[in-house]
Amino acid sequence: GQQVQQSPASLVLQEGENAELQCNFSTSLNSMQWFYQRPEGSLVSLFYNPSGTKQSGRLTSTTVIKERRSSLHISSSQITDSGTYLCAAGNYAQGLTFGLGTRVSVFP
Amino acid sequence: AQTIHQWPVAEIKAVGSPLSLGCTIKGKSSPNLYWYWQATGGTLQQLFYSITVGQVESVVQLNLSASRPKDDQFILSTEKLLLSHSGFYLCAWSLLGGRSYEQYFGPGTRLTVL
Repeated sequence: GQQVQQSPASLVLQEGENAELQCNFSTSLNSMQWFYQRPEGSLVSLFYNPSGTKQSGRLTSTTVIKERRSSLHISSSQITDSGTYLCAAGNYAQGLTFGLGTRVSVFP
Repeated sequence: AQTIHQWPVAEIKAVGSPLSLGCTIKGKSSPNLYWYWQATGGTLQQLFYSITVGQVESVVQLNLSASRPKDDQFILSTEKLLLSHSGFYLCAWSLLGGRSYEQYFGPGTRLTVL
């Protein structure tokens, strides 16, 4: 089955720095999503991006299917960006396989 | 208005007691439905999925069962809870067909088994 690896496991940033979060998946997919997980557990959808590049504000997601990787770029990080970022990959009918996440901490 | 509703928001139950968690989707016809679970500090894991009423596929065995009694409803249950069932349960939906396989998640249910 699908395996998803996220790196780094954690990241410490000074406010204003950029960051790149990586997600590697083991088999081909037709679904790739990035989420922010709130401390209480619920998910905030950031991107649905099975291929190519998408941008939303300071966030950019790039997925390269043939290299089996996806990335989330955070530019000009802010304290409010702190938290856990999850990527998930899979086949739509069978659901998503999630990575363990990257915990981001942004300090002033 | 929220498309996906989960109930209850949180539950504290005793080991060995029964459990029923629910998920309702509003305004979507024949969605694919999914249950996911996350133990504290663990990875979100898919438990079940359903592409039509009455049909449920199991992905991970956790001594839980799921049913889809109506097109817009997905139920997760067990007759006897284990300590290991504690965690956060998320329901999700996606649409059949189309070009997007995006999944949309509910707010979740926090389960504590004592």
